[in-house]
Amino acid sequence: GENVEQHPSTLSVQEGDSAVIKCTYSDSASNYFPWYKQELGKRPQLIIDIRSNVGEKKDQRIAVTLNKTAKHFSLHITETQPEDSAVYFCAASPNSGNTPLVFGKGTRLSVIA
Amino acid sequence: ETGVTQTPRHLVMGMTNKKSLKCEQHLGHNAMYWYKQSAKKPLELMFVYSLEERVENNSVPSRFSPECPNSSHLFLHLHTLQPEDSALYLCASSQDPGLAANEQFFGPGTRLTVL
Repeated sequence: GENVEQHPSTLSVQEGDSAVIKCTYSDSASNYFPWYKQELGKRPQLIIDIRSNVGEKKDQRIAVTLNKTAKHFSLHITETQPEDSAVYFCAASPNSGNTPLVFGKGTRLSVIA
Repeated sequence: ETGVTQTPRHLVMGMTNKKSLKCEQHLGHNAMYWYKQSAKKPLELMFVYSLEERVENNSVPSRFSPECPNSSHLFLHLHTLQPEDSALYLCASSQDPGLAANEQFFGPGTRLTVL
């Protein structure tokens, strides 16, 4: 089955700097890779996702890159703001079939003002 | 109310009690999930239901018993729990009954404390 590793487990950046979170996966059949953000005391919510037919996707200050050959994908947040402070989870899943998402263990991002 | 709702939001129970967690989704989705969230395992999948049939049980102890009476409702029945079962229990739903890759919508969770 799929195994997703996520690094780092904690990350502190100064406001305005960039943050990068990396994930690797084991199942070469996986081709859907979402990222969820969970603010303190709140539920996880999807912020961006990517499918294997593209290598990069951007949405304002956040972007995700995918390297299918190396089986890794990354979340990039530019011009970080205090409200970006949260736990971020990556996940992977085959695009078809009866397999639910497999989540990484999360990264706690702290943006220091 | 829209989205995914869970009740109660907080629950304190003794090890001999029996209680149930409830989840309801108002999104017309066909798959529902129970997750356990703790410091050690941030998002641990417990059960998956697709079109009211259980399709996954991730080696969860029998003191947790799920029930899915219809595609909008999901319950987690609890009995003789242990203190290590204290955690945030999250419910989620997704559209595709085949669990194909699509967004999961999470509820706010039930914070469970077992004394």
